[in-house]
Amino acid sequence: NAGVTQTPKFQVLKTGQSMTLQCAQDMNHNSMYWYRQDPGMGLRLIYYSASEGTTDKGEVPNGYNVSRLNKREFSLRLESAAPSQTSVYFCASRAMRTGAGYTFGSGTRLTVV
Amino acid sequence: SQQGEEDPQALSIQEGENATMNCSYKTSINNLQWYRQNSGRGLVHLILIRSNEREKHSGRLRVTLDTSKKSSSLLITASRAADTASYFCATGPNDMRFGAGTRLTVKP
Repeated sequence: NAGVTQTPKFQVLKTGQSMTLQCAQDMNHNSMYWYRQDPGMGLRLIYYSASEGTTDKGEVPNGYNVSRLNKREFSLRLESAAPSQTSVYFCASRAMRTGAGYTFGSGTRLTVV
Repeated sequence: SQQGEEDPQALSIQEGENATMNCSYKTSINNLQWYRQNSGRGLVHLILIRSNEREKHSGRLRVTLDTSKKSSSLLITASRAADTASYFCATGPNDMRFGAGTRLTVKP
């Protein structure tokens, strides 16, 4: 099925460990996004990529890095995980046309202990 | 920030009733979007209204936009238990910002 695929779905890390969250979309969308969602809160933008080859910081970029590997894939890396990064991470993509809605993945639930 | 803020934070109604949620934002926008999130799932795009539109319909959804008041409302008519979810508004030309959402519970 067409859409946004995130891997893994669940992950437990120890403080200080690193990991990369993967995201891929097969809708030929230009823009891709990483959000985090904490309990009872809305989504906060971490990083986004308006088009292949570009990345920009969002509201809460500290502690994260991203790579827009190609048009399909946009990865999020935690270099040294901290308990404050325990959250659900969502990847989304959007077509370039004005007013296009976002398509979201099903999320990665990350716990840092 | 162009973050939308939803009101109320929580809403509980009986099946068949209408549900109205509101969204306020701070800066000029190109469009405003509403999303639904079922528990533990990703967000699903419901409807988009452009800044030059005042009202838009999609099935049982009705969205209004008042740019002079920087506010929008989402009306769900004849609600169903399956409408139980959190609803978010989002604004921004490219880097979409979301509010904390309205948690809607529809009791059968």
